[in-house]
Amino acid sequence: DQQVKQNSPSLSVQEGRISILNCDYTNSMFDYFLWYKKYPAEGPTFLISISSIKDKNEDGRFTVFLNKSAKHLSLHIVPSQPGDSAVYFCAASAGNYGQNFVFGPGTRLSVLP
Amino acid sequence: DAMVIQNPRYQVTQFGKPVTLSCSQTLNHNVMYWYQQKSSQAPKLLFHYYDKDFNNEADTPDNFQSRRPNTSFCFLDIRSPGLGDAAMYLCATQGDSNEKLFFGSGTQLSVL
Repeated sequence: DQQVKQNSPSLSVQEGRISILNCDYTNSMFDYFLWYKKYPAEGPTFLISISSIKDKNEDGRFTVFLNKSAKHLSLHIVPSQPGDSAVYFCAASAGNYGQNFVFGPGTRLSVLP
Repeated sequence: DAMVIQNPRYQVTQFGKPVTLSCSQTLNHNVMYWYQQKSSQAPKLLFHYYDKDFNNEADTPDNFQSRRPNTSFCFLDIRSPGLGDAAMYLCATQGDSNEKLFFGSGTQLSVL
């Protein structure tokens, strides 16, 4: 049973437009959420996180929104750039410890010039 | 720069031939993790160390072992690789005061 779901395996967006990547979770005990970006043949790199006490966190072009009642979070990238093309993983945990992190299967974002 | 380094980047082994993957870190983090990731799937935690304390996930096959001789190094041993063990193996670290995981570049394992 997948506790963290990313239902869109892939997403294509035009350069300059907004990219919205979605993530749903089932475990109501999750209280910490992260997004990682992964280029081919490289390890995931941390992008942005959000604690359940917030509903929004922003870092430059990246904003994460959390809707606890819907058990849903989304990552917005504005404006999208070709260098953003990568696989994006959503991860959730109950507490900050990595052994509790549950990853989604990822969404491949392609930003078209 | 402080980082997590995995060697080799690509490893080819034969069915049943033991293989060792290595990970080193200069972050001085207490916790080290090994994940297995297959194509289009989520990374799956195999085990982790908190300092020298080893923690095995319940569904990690016995075929997978790990060693952490010191803070900086961690090894993943696959005693008898099967075709199903072909995957990307990711090492990650986490400090006590850090919330996020720092990943290495991974080792892509092929089993022939």
